[in-house]
Amino acid sequence: QSALTQPPSASGSPGQSVTISCTGTSSDVGGYNYVSWYQQRPGKAPTLMIYEVTKRPSGVPDRFSGSKSGNTASLTVSGLQAEDEADYYCSSYGGSNNPYVFGTGTKVTVL
Amino acid sequence: EVQLVESGGGLVQPGGSLRLSCAASGFTFSTYAMSWVRQAPGKGLEWVSAISGSGGSTYYADSVKGRFTISRDNSKNTLYLQMNSLRAEDTALYFCASPTVAGSGRLDFWGQGSLVTVSS
Repeated sequence: QSALTQPPSASGSPGQSVTISCTGTSSDVGGYNYVSWYQQRPGKAPTLMIYEVTKRPSGVPDRFSGSKSGNTASLTVSGLQAEDEADYYCSSYGGSNNPYVFGTGTKVTVL
Repeated sequence: EVQLVESGGGLVQPGGSLRLSCAASGFTFSTYAMSWVRQAPGKGLEWVSAISGSGGSTYYADSVKGRFTISRDNSKNTLYLQMNSLRAEDTALYFCASPTVAGSGRLDFWGQGSLVTVSS
């Protein structure tokens, strides 16, 4: 049950794009199209931003998009806004005995 | 509106026990699997345990297997986490969370968390 690997930090200026990677194995990210992304602001609970690799829940801006290739998933935030500054976590289904494998987390800073 | 409200956290000595509760409202509780996810201070998210809607199936992370027990009372719309033999490394904010689709790897709804501190 090893955590998925994310870069510790990412940054961009307002209006730019930032992409966060999430690397796992064939037992999690590569084995299922069940990758999710969560945004967590300081002192708050996580919020689901992307599910099933590319889908956005109602209310999530279309500036947020997801993709996957092999064992690596990615979250792209386009048109960065100050409100996007937060921690982002990926998660993958890893089987019924390991339904939520989380990433190490990435702090996104809007410069 | 879906609401998940955790309670029961606090300060406990190493080796002690604590039971967390999560009161659910705004959805048909018995039809949804539920999970506990924790976050140590300044650290990332870690899935702890999950339970099926009926309560008949339970799952645990290796780090808590044999020490923690997840359960639910569908008549009270409440999820529980019994934590025994607590260790310093169990210190964390414990969230209850729920997917709208079981086995989808997503957690749509989260509570605000209950803080557990294990220290002498």
